[in-house]
Amino acid sequence: DSGVTQTPKHLITATGQRVTLRCSPRSGDLSVYWYQQSLDQGLQFLIQYYNGEERAKGNILERFSAQQFPDLHSELNLSSLELGDSALYFCASSPIEGFSPLHFGNGTRLTVT
Amino acid sequence: GENVEQHPSTLSVQEGDSAVIKCTYSDSASNYFPWYKQELGKGPQLIIDIRSNVGEKKDQRIAVTLNKTAKHFSLHITETQPEDSAVYFCAASRSAGGTSYGKLTFGQGTILTVHP
Repeated sequence: DSGVTQTPKHLITATGQRVTLRCSPRSGDLSVYWYQQSLDQGLQFLIQYYNGEERAKGNILERFSAQQFPDLHSELNLSSLELGDSALYFCASSPIEGFSPLHFGNGTRLTVT
Repeated sequence: GENVEQHPSTLSVQEGDSAVIKCTYSDSASNYFPWYKQELGKGPQLIIDIRSNVGEKKDQRIAVTLNKTAKHFSLHITETQPEDSAVYFCAASRSAGGTSYGKLTFGQGTILTVHP
């Protein structure tokens, strides 16, 4: 168990809808990262937060947004969902902003119908 | 941006044999190379990592080698066991003021099957 908790485990929704994915990092970790895993794109970095502030952005769509709260949990918001947004969404955390290995949660499987 | 190529996409070995997975990267500034193991229904789990100031690192049956000149790194698993069966991912990143180690670029993955 990595200590990173993601909820829900599964999410099924319709096109055009909006969902929120939640992540609780390992105790003491200040950095949170979101990744998307799909069959065609593989594992792709979306966004990073450190102690509440956005630090780095990857290939994150404008329809997607994230935030990290004072208690360090993070939420990824996906809106105007399309079929192609169906994927596994992983959250990872690390203690500090610099070099430290990432520990991944078990992901949220999003299915858009 | 960084591009990481991983080979082979599938690898089948007999229990006790060795397995080697290779990756190449494009960004010469990359300086951190982790390997992850992903089992069905779970998130990627870090199994070993190496920084660019080191050429080789070993942890029991697992080793990673890095050739900075050729921009490639490899994962070596010796004495494979059925429980080693999983998808393995290599990744690369570079630091930029300490903020980029977590911005990993992943390879496409290798499905390793170890037959008893």
